[in-house]
Amino acid sequence: NAGVTQTPKFQVLKTGQSMTLQCAQDMNHNSMYWYRQDPGMGLRLIYYSASEGTTDKGEVPNGYNVSRLNKREFSLRLESAAPSQTSVYFCASRPTGYYNQPQHFGDGTRLSIL
Amino acid sequence: AQKITQTQPGMFVQEKEAVTLDCTYDTSDPSYGLFWYKQPSSGEMIFLIYQGSYDQQNATEGRYSLNFQKARKSANLVISASQLGDSAMYFCAMRERLTGGGNKLTFGTGTQLKVEL
Repeated sequence: NAGVTQTPKFQVLKTGQSMTLQCAQDMNHNSMYWYRQDPGMGLRLIYYSASEGTTDKGEVPNGYNVSRLNKREFSLRLESAAPSQTSVYFCASRPTGYYNQPQHFGDGTRLSIL
Repeated sequence: AQKITQTQPGMFVQEKEAVTLDCTYDTSDPSYGLFWYKQPSSGEMIFLIYQGSYDQQNATEGRYSLNFQKARKSANLVISASQLGDSAMYFCAMRERLTGGGNKLTFGTGTQLKVEL
């Protein structure tokens, strides 16, 4: 069971570089999410996609863009990386219409910006 | 806006004993759900248990149970018979409905649990 797959698992960037974090799910879920996790702050929502073809800003969208390429894939792009974006990034998905269903998370991408 | 509060940054418990991890929440939405996730040192997020606001009974899943007190707006996680493998960070999260459709989770800051021999 692959579930939610994130690539890469680790990445080091220099300030100003760009990068795309990839996420794919094989559970036929409609909704997908990107979170970032910083020490002492829990997970915070960056962007989400309630269904294929739609994306919306979450709590901390500045400095990021997303693309819902198809139902399976939801990518997160950093156009000009900044040290403040050093974090662990999680992608998640869940089915729509099932209120008690949890979000399923990928294993995370550890990103360091120097 | 919804808010989740976990006031215990760290907890210790002895193996085979029970432990309660606190979670309080604040919302104006009468329909909400509360989730607990476990994050071991390897980093993945593991779903443990769910409680809906309209559920009549407290949720249970194996050694995990929820002490859900709606009037107090608390949803504490109880782990019975703690094991060394329970050492991890535990997050409480609340489901919030979104105007654009779907829903999102608002997370607390987590409680680091350490199980000792």
